[in-house]
Formats: sequence, structure tokens, C-alpha cells
Amino acid sequence: GEDVEQSLFLSVREGDSSVINCTYTDSSSTYLYWYKQEPGAGLQLLTYIFSNMDMKQDQRLTVLLNKKDKHLSLRIADTQTGDSAIYFCADLNSGYSTLTFGKGTMLLVSP
Amino acid sequence: DTAVSQTPKYLVTQMGNDKSIKCEQNLGHDTMYWYKQDSKKFLKIMFSYNNKELIINETVPNRFSPKSPDKAHLNLHINSLELGDSAVYFCASSPSFRYTGYFYGYTFGSGTRLTVV
Repeated sequence: GEDVEQSLFLSVREGDSSVINCTYTDSSSTYLYWYKQEPGAGLQLLTYIFSNMDMKQDQRLTVLLNKKDKHLSLRIADTQTGDSAIYFCADLNSGYSTLTFGKGTMLLVSP
Repeated sequence: DTAVSQTPKYLVTQMGNDKSIKCEQNLGHDTMYWYKQDSKKFLKIMFSYNNKELIINETVPNRFSPKSPDKAHLNLHINSLELGDSAVYFCASSPSFRYTGYFYGYTFGSGTRLTVV
């Protein structure tokens, strides 16, 4: 079945850039997503990228997609303490409109 | 105006009890989901409904029974609760990919933390 893998933990200093990586196995993925989960809250959609794109930029967020290697990354520029959260990568099983999530990367931003 | 609302937010109950979690969405979406998030934050799909029809039923014990009275509601009933059922349960909704051809992801509820003691 499909699998989505992420590193579990990333620690950065405020003002640095953060890069969260994700790999997936489903070669027919059409959309890939990044979600953010703050403590005690639900998941919030941050951004998504269509599989025919290599890059998408949205303010401080940059998503890079290497479809050949099935690798997705999320770069957060000028990381702030408010960015501390768990970030989930997900890909779409288009047949069933369901998302398969990675295990999440906990981002800790220190002052 | 909460887009996807779940009740209750917290649920503490004893082993063996039966409980329900309710979910409602006011986005006009066709598809609704239940996900389980375990203590390690791993999210796993349990059920998916499209216009009240069950689409996905992953390997979930049959003690879990979803009910969709209409496309805006998807409730989760759990019989004979066990300690291992303790988790956060998330409801989500989305427009149907099959009909729109686009998929902008899910809108999640804020979760129900279930603790079985």
C-alpha cells in the first residue's frame, strides 16, 4: 500500500530557515499537501502542490517536489516561535479521495 | 462559524461502555471522514462516506460503527470500549474529487480526545 515517510523531529533557532522533508511511494499521487497541527488543535491545511509542478511559493512557505525521487519538502523562511508545531505531509489517493499522512515532523523553534 | 464541528471535545469513559462522537460540517461538502490519531500522533483513516454512502472502511474493529443521516453529518458510535481505543478522533470533510477533478484537501474538526479508563 501507500506509504509516506517523514523525519520525526527538527529543531531550529528563530529567524533561521526550516526544511521539512517527506518521501512517498505512490507514483500516481496527483496532489501532495502540508498540514500543520498545533498542540491540542486539529490539522490546518498550509499548502498543497499539484504533481505537475516542481515548486510552489506562498509567502514564507516554499514547497519543492521531485516527482522522480518521490520527494517533497517544505521550507519555512524566517522561522518564528509560533511556527512550532507538528507538520504532516500527505498524498492523495485519487481513486478514493483519501489522504495518506506521514507520521508528522515536530518542529521546535527556540528563541 | 465553525466549518467542521465535533462533539464532545473530551470524553472520559470506562471500559465496556458505549459512546458516540458527533460531527457536522456546514461547508456543503460531499465527503466526510473519520481519522484516528494515536499517542504517537500517527493519523490513520477509519471511514469515508460520500453522500451518505460508505466508501472506505479500513481494518477497524466492528465495535466502531459510523452513521451518516445526511451528507452534513457523520457520527461515530463505539461499542464495548477498550483501553486501546484511547486516542484523538478527527472528523474531516472535502468536496468530492471524482466530480470536481480538483482536490483542495480536507477541512478538519478540532478533534475529540477519548480516554478509556
